[in-house]
Amino acid sequence: DTEVTQTPKHLVMGMTNKKSLKCEQHMGHRAMYWYKQKAKKPPELMFVYSYEKLSINESVPSRFSPECPNSSLLNLHLHALQPEDSALYLCASSQWRDRDNNEQFFGPGTRLTVL
Amino acid sequence: AQKITQTQPGMFVQEKEAVTLDCTYDTSDPSYGLFWYKQPSSGEMIFLIYQGSYDQQNATEGRYSLNFQKARKSANLVISASQLGDSAMYFCAMSPGDKLIFGTGTRLQVFP
Repeated sequence: DTEVTQTPKHLVMGMTNKKSLKCEQHMGHRAMYWYKQKAKKPPELMFVYSYEKLSINESVPSRFSPECPNSSLLNLHLHALQPEDSALYLCASSQWRDRDNNEQFFGPGTRLTVL
Repeated sequence: AQKITQTQPGMFVQEKEAVTLDCTYDTSDPSYGLFWYKQPSSGEMIFLIYQGSYDQQNATEGRYSLNFQKARKSANLVISASQLGDSAMYFCAMSPGDKLIFGTGTRLQVFP
C-alpha cells in the first residue's frame, strides 16, 4: 500500500465549529506532515511528527491542533477558524531514509472552506 | 537560509515536444536533496524525481530527467515527449533535513 489517504475531501465549516481532518498511511513511514496551500501558492509546512512526536511547529496559530494517535494516523483538529484559513490542507508521510532524501508522499488533500 | 526560485510562472509546449522547467536554489548546507513534484488541478502532489547533492549523475525517471548543475545551483526538470496529461503545476523543492522547501511553481500547459 503506497497511499496516503485523507478525509474528508471537502469540508465547509462556520467560524464557531469544531472539526477534524484525518490522514492515514500504511507504508510504515516514521514522519508525517501537515501543509496548508492557498490557491496558486506552494504548500506551506505547518507541523511535522517524527516517531509520533511533534518535532516541528511552524508557528501555527493555536486554533489548529495536531494529533498523532499512532504511527499510521495524523489528525488536525480545527476550532474557531477564520475565513482566511480556507485552503487545501495536505498531509504527507516520509520514511526519510537519509538526511538528504526526504521524499514525501502526499495525500489528495482536504479542501476547507470557512464561512 | 534555504531558498528555491522558479522564474517561469507559466510554460506552453506542444504535445510530443520536450520542455525544460527551471529551478535554482540557494543553500549553505553541503548536503541536500532536490525534488520535483507535479500537482494536477485535483490537488494531489505527485513525486516525480529526486537528486541528491552528492550524486554524480543526473537523475532520470522515465520521461523525466533532472539537469543538475551544482556549481550553478540549478536543478532543471526536463520532460521529454510531452503528453496532454502533463498539463499541471510543477514545484521544485529542496530538503534540508526534515523539511521540504518549495518554489513558487510553474504552470505547464501542453497543447495538441
